[in-house]
Amino acid sequence: NAGVTQTPKFRILKIGQSMTLQCTQDMNHNYMYWYRQDPGMGLKLIYYSVGAGITDKGEVPNGYNVSRSTTEDFPLRLELAAPSQTSVYFCASSGNYNEQFFGPGTRLTVL
Amino acid sequence: LAKTTQPISMDSYEGQEVNITCSHNNIATNDYITWYQQFPSQGPRFIIQGYKTKVTNEVASLFIPADRKSSTLSLPRVSLSDTAVYYCLVGDPRSNDYKLSFGAGTTVTVRA
Repeated sequence: NAGVTQTPKFRILKIGQSMTLQCTQDMNHNYMYWYRQDPGMGLKLIYYSVGAGITDKGEVPNGYNVSRSTTEDFPLRLELAAPSQTSVYFCASSGNYNEQFFGPGTRLTVL
Repeated sequence: LAKTTQPISMDSYEGQEVNITCSHNNIATNDYITWYQQFPSQGPRFIIQGYKTKVTNEVASLFIPADRKSSTLSLPRVSLSDTAVYYCLVGDPRSNDYKLSFGAGTTVTVRA
């Protein structure tokens, strides 16, 4: 099993550009999550999904959108990128009872 | 989500036992306590989870008193590779809208 994979690993965006961060898991997990982590800080939940077709907002959803058309994929869309969205983005998935498996992260810089 | 409080940082030496205490005064009846470990430039990794009393695995032990308002993660005989950030999280994993809140965590630095 590859676990949770994320692409790209790094990306530099200009202000106002858009992009999609990809996340795929091969563990057949129902739950998937997107977090952002700013330097020296903990993780903040952006969006999460409890199954295909079901998504909900986390703590910091503004400026982001998600979709969950399949169990495996949970892409995160950034529209009109802003410098405040410079961060490391982690995708995670979990089955029952909580243990979340994290991807390697995407380091995004908005200039 | 239950709020948690844990020390910002702790220093230790190789071979010592490290104990990190987390306070969660408003923990709910169905909440579990979970600890994650994060190395630089990596995503967090699950360490241990418990509901009450004591849980032990090959990596750590988790002690939870009867009132469940706090918990202690114990790392036995740490090595340099245990230098990381440790997060304490509280939540109900059986909830349909289950989600976790990661605070700033405790940065543990192990010295030779």
